[in-house]
Amino acid sequence: DIQMTQSPSSLSASVGDRVTITCRASQGISNYLAWFQQKPGKAPKSLIYAASSLQSGVPSKFSGSGSGTDFTLTISSLQPEDFATYYCQQYNSYPPTFGGGTEVEIK
Amino acid sequence: QVQLVQSGAEVKKPGASVKVSCKASGYTFTSYYMHWVRQAPGQGLEWMGIINPSGGSTSYAQKLQGRVTMTRDTSTSTVYMELSSLRSEDTAVYYCARGRSGGSAPDYWGQGTLVTVSS
Repeated sequence: DIQMTQSPSSLSASVGDRVTITCRASQGISNYLAWFQQKPGKAPKSLIYAASSLQSGVPSKFSGSGSGTDFTLTISSLQPEDFATYYCQQYNSYPPTFGGGTEVEIK
Repeated sequence: QVQLVQSGAEVKKPGASVKVSCKASGYTFTSYYMHWVRQAPGQGLEWMGIINPSGGSTSYAQKLQGRVTMTRDTSTSTVYMELSSLRSEDTAVYYCARGRSGGSAPDYWGQGTLVTVSS
């Protein structure tokens, strides 16, 4: 199975900050990488697919980049509603695997 | 609008089985795959498997092979996930999530179903 490693596992940031989360795959996955946001007690929400394509309705403050083994999710200006846990997932090969998550907390 | 509505919480004893449903609406049911993903308390996301509602073909995570069965009912636009021989480690929230194809990531998610396994 492909291992997905996210860093950091948690971070503290202030409203208005630019935040970047990294996801590394144990082998190349082309651009078959998705990002999800999950708030406590809620279902995950899909943000990005194909490494950089925004899901319908997702604000443009979210952006994704990368290819191969290294990927990033960037939130351009953190807002109160963005405090959540973020997961990456590879879907290049079965089984699809998730990163361990990055918790974004309020500083 | 796309909606995935899951069945309610369940409490089961070790060794029992549970069957969770996911009713889809707002799109053509047979045109999209359905993933199942679970999340143990305080833990991350774990992919369980996928079903193609068009023909019913499935693919399961190896660690769950033999215990998990995914089925669908096209007349009601509902997919089902049944997990047998339950153990305490199966206590989790179970999610269905729509995928554009067998090789795509989920785009819409159900609200989740808590399954508690306890004696």
